[in-house]
Amino acid sequence: QVQLVESGGGVVQSGGSLRLSCVASGFTFSSYGMHWVRLAPGKGLEWVAFRRYDASNEYYADSVKGRFTISRDNSKDTLYLQMNSLRPEDTGVYYCAKDHFGAGSGSYLEYWGQGTLVTVSS
Amino acid sequence: DIVMTQSPDSLAVSLGERAAINCKSSQSVLDSSKNKNCLAWYQQKPGQPPKLVMYWASSRESGVPDRFSGSGSGTDFTLTISSLQAEDVAVYYCQQYYNTPLTFGGGTKVEIK
Repeated sequence: QVQLVESGGGVVQSGGSLRLSCVASGFTFSSYGMHWVRLAPGKGLEWVAFRRYDASNEYYADSVKGRFTISRDNSKDTLYLQMNSLRPEDTGVYYCAKDHFGAGSGSYLEYWGQGTLVTVSS
Repeated sequence: DIVMTQSPDSLAVSLGERAAINCKSSQSVLDSSKNKNCLAWYQQKPGQPPKLVMYWASSRESGVPDRFSGSGSGTDFTLTISSLQAEDVAVYYCQQYYNTPLTFGGGTKVEIK
């Protein structure tokens, strides 16, 4: 069965950096696009970033563009999110999710990990 | 960006009764090349990740009970639970995938009356 396991969350000061990882299993990771989505406390879901199956293209929400980088290592079945210049408003649970398709710019998210909590203190 | 607006923010329904959640997009999400609406619905229970319920506006994900149905086209969509069960208590989100950035509605909390 599909499994997505995130790690790397924690507490960091404003302006700091964190790197999240998501290890995938149960499907051919290199054939599917992958997303990061976050859930801030008391708020709704916010899409963060998407990377195509072959890492050829990446897309970002305006709120993180220039600060976050989504990458993937298909040889390790792993998705990453490098987060720099963190702000208190980046606080939340970060989920990685599998897209239905491999290419394009993202579609519906079929499977989600359990999430990892990022807390940015001011 | 396409703005997704859900209503109501919360909904209390008696067990066995019908629950309907609305989602409106700021522009059409109909992909004319496919003749399909790029609209998905997710269910999120407390402490759990979101779970895909519906895609292409009206296609039920495998394993989702048939009391869940999706309807609508263009800019107006509805997720209906025909007979609410206790396990359906959750926050429900719509999401458009017509273009980037992907955007979600603000969520609708469904509770038991």
